[in-house]
Order: sequence, then structure tokens, then C-alpha cells
Amino acid sequence: DTGVSQNPRHKITKRGQNVTFRCDPISEHNRLYWYRQTLGQGPEFLTYFQNEAQLEKSRLLSDRFSAERPKGSFSTLEIQRTEQGDSAMYLCASSLARSANTDTQYFGPGTRLTVL
Amino acid sequence: AQSVTQLGSHVSVSEGALVLLRCNYSSSVPPYLFWYVQYPNQGLQLLLKYTSAATLVKGINGFEAEFKKSETSFHLTKPSAHMSDAAEYFCAVIAAGAGSYQLTFGKGTKLSVIP
Repeated sequence: DTGVSQNPRHKITKRGQNVTFRCDPISEHNRLYWYRQTLGQGPEFLTYFQNEAQLEKSRLLSDRFSAERPKGSFSTLEIQRTEQGDSAMYLCASSLARSANTDTQYFGPGTRLTVL
Repeated sequence: AQSVTQLGSHVSVSEGALVLLRCNYSSSVPPYLFWYVQYPNQGLQLLLKYTSAATLVKGINGFEAEFKKSETSFHLTKPSAHMSDAAEYFCAVIAAGAGSYQLTFGKGTKLSVIP
């Protein structure tokens, strides 16, 4: 069990550019979550997948954001036309859940995005 | 909708002293509650969770938390602080049975341990 991995760990980009982050969940975990954490705040939910299906999206996920999990394994989060307000830590989590009381989410190290 | 309030954005304790980090929740359905710890530039590590079994929950690194429905609280404690406990701690809730599995986090409490 190698844990949740995220790449890259850091990304610096200029405003208006597109960026893509990758998350590899714990093997065989069926759920995958994306959260965003800004300085001084707790993580905020963005979206989650059960296998390859995207089941829930937060209002924070504007139309510039898109997430995929094409084969039910790794996931990508793309931000188009980045804005300075997108600067944050993007966290991925995965779980093997059959019900809410077994849904323990394990987090990756995060990708820190800085938009100049 | 569910929410979590963590009282005190920054708590300082002396090494060896009691650690008490406060968390109050609001949920329209029975909650599942979690404490996570985050070290600088790292992701979140699960300390413990409450899922409607025993109200006193023991976690890793000597931490424990007690679910008190009457007080809508889930405070985190440790009898004796260690320097390695210095980190940021987040309380989070899932509204069980509400059909959503998203964690709703508090704003976090940064714990400093004074030698």
C-alpha cells in the first residue's frame, strides 16, 4: 500500500494558462475526492468519483474546472484560464467505501498551485 | 447541511501538558466525525473517527476524542503534549445518511508545543 500520490507537488503558472494535476489513489479504492485548501482555511470539497462516475460537484467547481477518472483508477483535475484566485493547495483523497460509516478518506500530499 | 466550528485558530501548550482542541458540529442527521492532522506542506493524516459506535474514540499518537451529542461536541485531547505534536489539526464531519460523502472541515487549529 503506497498511499495516495499526487503530481506535480508544486506548479507555478502565469494567469491565463491551463494546468493539469494528477492523482493516483490507493489501489482498489473505488472513491476518489478532490479538495481545495487556501491559506488559513480547511480543505473545501470540489468533487468526487465512484469508480469512473463523477457523482457530486461543488459550486466551487466553476466551468473552468474539469475532473476526470477515465478508467476508475487515476484522476486528473484541469483548470483552464487560471486566475490568481485559483492559487491554493489541491488535495486528492481516496476511500474504499461500502457505506458512510466505512468511508475513511486517505489524503495525498497535495499539489500547490501558484498563479502569477 | 452540516458544519464544523473549531474554537481557537492557535493553541499553545507546554511540552508534557494536556492538549485540548475544541470542535463543535452542526448536522441535521447523525454525523460521522473525524480529526485529521496536517504537518507543513503535507497532506492530511487521519487521527481518529467517530461512526456511532463507542462515544470515546482512541486514535493514533495517544490522541482521543469524545462524542457528546448533548453538547454537539467532539473535542480532541492528549494527556501529555510532545514536541512532535506541533501541527495543524482539522475537525471534519460527514452527514451520515444524507447521500453525500464529502467531508466538511473546520478552519483548523494550529498547535504549538513549547519546550
